[in-house]
Amino acid sequence: DVKVTQSSRYLVKRTGEKVFLECVQDMDHENMFWYRQDPGLGLRLIYFSYDVKMKEKGDIPEGYSVSREKKERFSLILESASTNQTSMYLCASSGLRDRGRYEQYFGPGTRLTVT
Amino acid sequence: RKEVEQDPGPFNVPEGATVAFNCTYSNSASQSFFWYRQDCRKEPKLLMSVYSSGNEDGRFTAQLNRASQYISLLIRDSKLSDSATYLCVAHYGGSQGNLIFGKGTKLSVKP
Repeated sequence: DVKVTQSSRYLVKRTGEKVFLECVQDMDHENMFWYRQDPGLGLRLIYFSYDVKMKEKGDIPEGYSVSREKKERFSLILESASTNQTSMYLCASSGLRDRGRYEQYFGPGTRLTVT
Repeated sequence: RKEVEQDPGPFNVPEGATVAFNCTYSNSASQSFFWYRQDCRKEPKLLMSVYSSGNEDGRFTAQLNRASQYISLLIRDSKLSDSATYLCVAHYGGSQGNLIFGKGTKLSVKP
């Protein structure tokens, strides 16, 4: 079974704090993704990575950065947290098992509240 | 813009009913499609993958119509435990792993 873990289930931070969200997968997947999910807006892609030290912007990268120093770990960083970054953050990973197969597997999510 | 559109619902059905969700996608280059299930305040979980015209797994059947660019999910003999939000997902296209997620259809199965 694919296992994707996230460092915290719930997090409360103050405006202006630097926030680190960590994600680890144990399936040797090449691809890792960070999303945020808000009511009425669905899942929105923040950043993704196809390999170690590689990163690509998603649809809403502003205010975020990422780090992928090891294949199994993908970190999301909020440089200076703001209240509009209060959200559910979901990490996912995928690997190319067969040609053209792209199932993503999600971690349990981190519910971040910025006060 | 590449999008996946779903009826948000909610679909309220009695136990034992058959319910169908439809979903349309805009990117004709998409080759792979998925249905995910998401329970309240939990992460999405893969329900079914669709790589050809369709897929069936027990009470769940997914069908793909490439000409009309829509995917459907049929749930037969609904159970109370089927209550969840169902996300329709399309592969972005090309060799990268990006997926495009619909906003989900909420299903509530009542006794």
